[in-house]
Parts: sequence; structure tokens; C-alpha cells
Amino acid sequence: QQPVQSPQAVILREGEDAVINCSSSKALYSVHWYRQKHGEAPVFLMILLKGGEQKGHEKISASFNEKKQQSSLYLTASQLSYSGTYFCGTEMSATDSWGKFQFGAGTQVVVTP
Amino acid sequence: ETGVTQTPRHLVMGMTNKKSLKCEQHLGHNAMYWYKQSAKKPLELMFVYNFKEQTENNSVPSRFSPECPNSSHLFLHLHTLQPEDSALYLCASSRQGGLHNGETQYFGPGTRLLVL
Repeated sequence: QQPVQSPQAVILREGEDAVINCSSSKALYSVHWYRQKHGEAPVFLMILLKGGEQKGHEKISASFNEKKQQSSLYLTASQLSYSGTYFCGTEMSATDSWGKFQFGAGTQVVVTP
Repeated sequence: ETGVTQTPRHLVMGMTNKKSLKCEQHLGHNAMYWYKQSAKKPLELMFVYNFKEQTENNSVPSRFSPECPNSSHLFLHLHTLQPEDSALYLCASSRQGGLHNGETQYFGPGTRLLVL
């Protein structure tokens, strides 16, 4: 029931773009995105509550496709500060798992100069 | 600085020891959470407290015992732990315990625990 993130890791040069995907086998009510830098606590990026909704945080944006039960995080024109592990957290809306919240395994992002 | 503090930041304990982790939030939130983060594994939600009442226990072994005396403080009491319990233990808080309503969680820096 834990969401599946892909890819597991990605290496970018500064200025390049990347997409991180988060998929669930269960219907979702919301998707949360967090970033955790090495040795630090996870930090909130954004929440997507409605199907098809897109939100943005600086040059990081995300979309939520309720029908496909997935969300994508877009890193645009990546900066060195984007390095870290990105986690999606999903809240389920299916009757047998309503309200259950779980994090994915994370996607490690390394941005090089 | 997220407004959530945890002490100690590092802890080494033997399997027969008893220790406690402390979390304090200065955000006026009413919900607090304990997570376990092991290497190469997802964040695992352990316990949830809303307005000092435990609302979720994700099948956590009884050697982990949470306590929430008020909405600002959360403890995790540890006893007779196993080496596989070594991990980063993260505390988080949110406004009203409404992950179900898409609330943001604010995480503390974590306690790095090593069980020998």
C-alpha cells in the first residue's frame, strides 16, 4: 500500500530538469511532497488535494492525477540547493484504507555544478 | 528551524537500558507524530496523537511506549530495544491532526538512535 516512487535516484547538472513520479495502488485523497537534505529533517514542499491540481514552490511544481492515482514532481532549471531526497506521502481515500497516510521510499536527487 | 525540537540528537543505548526521547513543538499545533526512518526504507509512521489522545498506533512493538502529556510535548519511552531498532526517530506536528485534510507536517531534526 506504500506509494511507489521512481526513479530511485537521479543525477542532474545545474539548470537541467527532472521528473519524480509517485504512484499508488489505492485511490488517493491527497499527495504531500517533502524534501530531506542529508542529516536534516524532511521539509514540506507542497500538498495537492484535488485531482489534476498543480502547485508550485519556486521552480518546483507538481501535478496530481486522481484517476491515475499518481503525482509527479517537476524540478525545473535545477539549482544546487535542490539536492536531497524527495518523498511523496499519500493519503488514501479508498473505503478499506480511508485516511491512511504513508510515505514512499524516496528519490535521491543530486545536482552537480 | 521548523519550530519542532527533539532531544537528544544522538543516543547510544544497550539492549537492557531504558531511555526516553523528547519532542517539543512551539507552533501551537494539536497533533504530534512519531516516525521511524531506517536506512533505505520509507518513513514509517509509528504513533499519532491528537489533542493529547493517541489516535493511531501502527502495530508498533510494546518496547516503544509513547506519552503525550500536553499538545506541545511528546515522549517516546524505550526499553529492551533490539539492534534492528537503530534508526532516526523523527517527531512531527501539524495543526489539528488532519493529515486526512491535507495538513502540513513540520518535522523535528530527529534523534539518531544506536542500539548495541
